[in-house]
Amino acid sequence: DVKVTQSSRYLVKRTGEKVFLECVQDMDHENMFWYRQDPGLGLRLIYFSYDVKMKEKGDIPEGYSVSREKKERFSLILESASTNQTSMYLCASSDPSGLTDTQYFGPGTRLTVL
Amino acid sequence: SQKIEQNSEALNIQEGKTATLTCNYTNYSPAYLQWYRQDPGRGPVFLLLIRENEKEKRKERLKVTFDTTLKQSLFHITASQPADSATYLCALATGGGNKLTFGTGTQLKVEL
Repeated sequence: DVKVTQSSRYLVKRTGEKVFLECVQDMDHENMFWYRQDPGLGLRLIYFSYDVKMKEKGDIPEGYSVSREKKERFSLILESASTNQTSMYLCASSDPSGLTDTQYFGPGTRLTVL
Repeated sequence: SQKIEQNSEALNIQEGKTATLTCNYTNYSPAYLQWYRQDPGRGPVFLLLIRENEKEKRKERLKVTFDTTLKQSLFHITASQPADSATYLCALATGGGNKLTFGTGTQLKVEL
């Protein structure tokens, strides 16, 4: 079974702090994704990566950056956290050779910015 | 603009009945559509995929239909159980690059 893990289930940070969210997958998937999920807005794509050191902006990249130094690990960085970044953050991975784009999600990190 | 719509109101049904959830989309021509289940505080879990040339797909108590003319998918859970209570999301492959766009989900509550 595919396993996607995220470094924290709950995180509380202060405005202006730099925040790192880590995601690791164990199935050798090329594609990895970061979403945020807010009530009424659903899942919104922040960034995705289709290979090591490759990244593309999603629908809402402002205020975020990402890093993918190894195939199994995809990090989301909030350079200077703000209260409007309080949200549930979900990481996912997929195998492009599978031809179905099925995504496997981690358990999520609920981030609160005070 | 491109849209994926799911009923935002929660669906409450009695145990044993069939639950039917709807996913409508506009301005897409997806090759397939996926359904995911999400429990509170958890990430979505893939359930079923249906391709554009398939009218219907079944998996145990789950059935999905896909009408590309109506631009609609229906997701059915037969003989529903309280354990089926969750939010159900539909997703389409959009924009290339193996990306998916998700609907906002419909919360299902199955009552005893």
